[in-house]
Amino acid sequence: GQNIDQPTEMTATEGAIVQINCTYQTSGFNGLFWYQQHAGEAPTFLSYNVLDGLEEKGRFSSFLSRSKGYSYLLLKELQMKDSASYLCAVRDDYKLSFGAGTTVTVRA
Amino acid sequence: KAGVTQTPRYLIKTRGQQVTLSCSPISGHRSVSWYQQTPGQGLQFLFEYFSETQRNKGNFPGRFSGRQFSNSRSEMNVSTLELGDSALYLCASSSATRLSGELFFGEGSRLTVL
Repeated sequence: GQNIDQPTEMTATEGAIVQINCTYQTSGFNGLFWYQQHAGEAPTFLSYNVLDGLEEKGRFSSFLSRSKGYSYLLLKELQMKDSASYLCAVRDDYKLSFGAGTTVTVRA
Repeated sequence: KAGVTQTPRYLIKTRGQQVTLSCSPISGHRSVSWYQQTPGQGLQFLFEYFSETQRNKGNFPGRFSGRQFSNSRSEMNVSTLELGDSALYLCASSSATRLSGELFFGEGSRLTVL
C-alpha cells in the first residue's frame, strides 16, 4: 500500500521561498507527481520525478530521493496566485496515490 | 482541445438513493480514473478504466461501481448513498497506455448526501 505524508498548512510572504516536503512509503515506485489545486478548481499538473535529483521548471522545482522516500516542491518568488493546495502523489504499479495536500497561504 | 468534462457539477441526494456521475475525457485519451476527495483525506483512488475494462480498483465498497463506453466516456455509480459519501468526485484522463504520464482532471462533481 501507500503512505504519503506532507504538512497540512504553510504560510509565507509574497516574494519569499517555500519548501513543501513529502515523504512516502510504497510497495512499488513508478514516479512522483506534484499537483496544484486552487479552491473549487481541478488539480493541475506541476512536476514529475522518476529519477533522483532536481527538476526545475520556472519558479517551481521538485526534488526526489528514492532511497529516502522523500521529495520536496520548492516555490520561489512567491506570488499571491500561488495560494493553493499542493498535492504530492506517488505512482505504484497500478495507481496514483495522493497525500492529503498542503495548503499554502501567501501573505502580502 | 477541450478538457475533461464532468456532469453534473453539483447534486444533492438523500440517504438510500443512488447517483450516477458522468465523465468525458480529453479527446484521444483512453484511460479514465476516478477519485473521491474529502477534507483531510485527500484524493482517494476509486477505479481506473482503459478501453472499456476496469484495470484497477481502490478500497471502496461494492456500492461504488463504474463503467467505460467505447467512446472512452465513463460513468460511476454509487448506490444506497450514505452521509459519508458526501464528497467531491474527480475524474481524470490520461493518454498513456501504461501507467505513466500525467493525469488531467475535470472540475469534479460535488455530491451532498442529506
